[in-house]
This record gives sequence, structure tokens and C-alpha cells, in this order.
Amino acid sequence: AQKITQTQPGMFVQEKEAVTLDCTYDTSDQSYGLFWYKQPSSGEMIFLIYQGSYDEQNATEGRYSLNFQKARKSANLVISASQLGDSAMYFCAMREAISWGKLQFGAGTQVVVTP
Amino acid sequence: DVKVTQSSRYLVKRTGEKVFLECVQDMDHENMFWYRQDPGLGLRLIYFSYDVKMKEKGDIPEGYSVSREKKERFSLILESASTNQTSMYLCASSNNSPLHFGNGTRLTVT
Repeated sequence: AQKITQTQPGMFVQEKEAVTLDCTYDTSDQSYGLFWYKQPSSGEMIFLIYQGSYDEQNATEGRYSLNFQKARKSANLVISASQLGDSAMYFCAMREAISWGKLQFGAGTQVVVTP
Repeated sequence: DVKVTQSSRYLVKRTGEKVFLECVQDMDHENMFWYRQDPGLGLRLIYFSYDVKMKEKGDIPEGYSVSREKKERFSLILESASTNQTSMYLCASSNNSPLHFGNGTRLTVT
């Protein structure tokens, strides 16, 4: 069964606007972690932000913030003030407690930032 | 900075060939992973290893095997390459931190 669902295959956003990328997850573990990665056209996977299941505050890293709603099992990524360099594929991923550190990924969302 | 190096950026192989994809990490990480990435499917875990000579199947291990003889090196082996194994292959390592990825190997099987 799919554990990470990203329902937006692609989206356009104008420069300087904010964009929200949706991610829902499925787990019965109480302890887990949620990650977002960025993959530009060059192919490298860049770690953006992490949220632990016990973290009470939403994670933030610069222009990235994670809107964590535990009861809804959602972990949406918010990118504020979009830049042209934000054009990339974005992946949501989850690590469950007993998993040897492996991540399960969603299908990804392609973001295109327009001038 | 952690460096994960995949030996080839692009590979073209023929159906039935034995293919080796090599991955080396320089941060003494315990855990190493092989994923394949296909459009619309995201990244799917093929195999992972949590220690030297230890390996565990991921979600799609069929048609693949792995080798971890040294801590820093994790090899993915396609015993007899098939066209449905044409894909981007990504190696990663971690110590239960965020995964650090290599730049990927784009494999084409003809």
C-alpha cells in the first residue's frame, strides 16, 4: 500500500509567490520522521527539511516550512517567496521507527516557477 | 560534507548482460541504500544494508542483488539486465540522519 501520497503531479507558481505542496502519509507507528527533498533537473537529491512525529513546532528552514498536521497525517511543504531556482521536482518521504533508516518516498510534485 | 559517489553517470547495456553499479561513501555511514526512480512512481527501494556483509530486500528486489564487502562501498548487481530495468538508480547513505544521495546513474538497457 502506498504510504506517502503526493496528489499534485505538477504545478506552476509565479515568482515571489508562496506555494504549498501537499503530502499525506500512512503509518501505525507513533515514532516517525518526515522529510522533503528537492531534485532539480541536474538530478541531485537535496535535503530540505525534517519533521519528527513528536516535534511540537512546525519545522522551518529559511524559506521552507513544514505544515505538520498529525491528526490528518499530512506534512505539507510551504515555499515562501518563490524563486526561479525553486523549479524542481519535490519529494515527500517518511522514515518509520524500526526501518534501519530507510525512507519511503511519494511520487513527487514538479514545480515550475515562472517570471 | 558527506560525499556519495556513483561510478557512472550514464550506462548503456544490452539485454542479458550482467551489470554492476558501484557506490562509495566517505562518511563512515552504517546504512546504505539503492533506489530506482521512475516518472510517476517516485523513488522505490531496491535493497539496503545496515552493516558490512548485511543486506535486506526493499520493495522491489526482483532481478537485483547487492554486495557490501566494505563499509564504504555498496554495489548493485543486475544479474541479467532486462529492458524494464531501464531507469535512474540512486545510491544513498546515512546514520539515521537524512539520507545523502549520489548523483545517480541513468541506465539504459537495449
